[in-house]
Amino acid sequence: EIVLTQSPGTLSLSPGERATLSCRASQSLSSSYLAWYQQKPGQAPRLLIYGTSSRATGIPDRFSGSGSGTDFTLTISRLEPEDFAVYYCQQYGSSPWTFGQGTKVEIK
Amino acid sequence: QVQLVQSGSELKEPGASVKVSCKASAYTFTTHGVGWVRQAPGQGLEWMGWIATDTGNPTYAQDFTGRFVFSLDTSVSTAYLQISSLKAEDTAVYYCARKARGIGFFDYWGQGTLVTVSS
Repeated sequence: EIVLTQSPGTLSLSPGERATLSCRASQSLSSSYLAWYQQKPGQAPRLLIYGTSSRATGIPDRFSGSGSGTDFTLTISRLEPEDFAVYYCQQYGSSPWTFGQGTKVEIK
Repeated sequence: QVQLVQSGSELKEPGASVKVSCKASAYTFTTHGVGWVRQAPGQGLEWMGWIATDTGNPTYAQDFTGRFVFSLDTSVSTAYLQISSLKAEDTAVYYCARKARGIGFFDYWGQGTLVTVSS
């Protein structure tokens, strides 16, 4: 099973700042099969990024994904008030398709 | 627009069973698999597995074999999660999600169903 480790656990930033979230895999991911989701309190997760860097439908271009092999990054270029949430990475290259433990982006 | 609508919250006693439904709309049900994800209170997301809606073939994560069963009724575009012999540690929100065509990320999610196991 591929283990995904996200860092940091919590990121305290102000609106307008840049957020950089990390997701490290215990093994190299095949074909960069990595997705990112956003979850707000009391809501279902929402797909942001798939295939490491492709934005899902309707996702603003301030969200971007990058990486390869075992190291992946989600970047939010300028935080908007609605971006404060928990973010999860998920690998889907090798079953079971595991999630990271999440990074909380909170208002500083 | 694509929607997955799940059944309502459940309160069950230990040892009982529960069946959660997930009704899909606005797309052809059998062209996308349905996955299930568990989220215990205050915890992260846990991938439980998925079911192919064209063949009915389920895939379970190791921690979800035995008491957990995925099923379908394609005539009403609905997927089901049944959990038997419920334990307190099964208390969680259970999400269904549509699997993207051909590959394993989830592009649309249900609203979640809270299952509480308590005597």
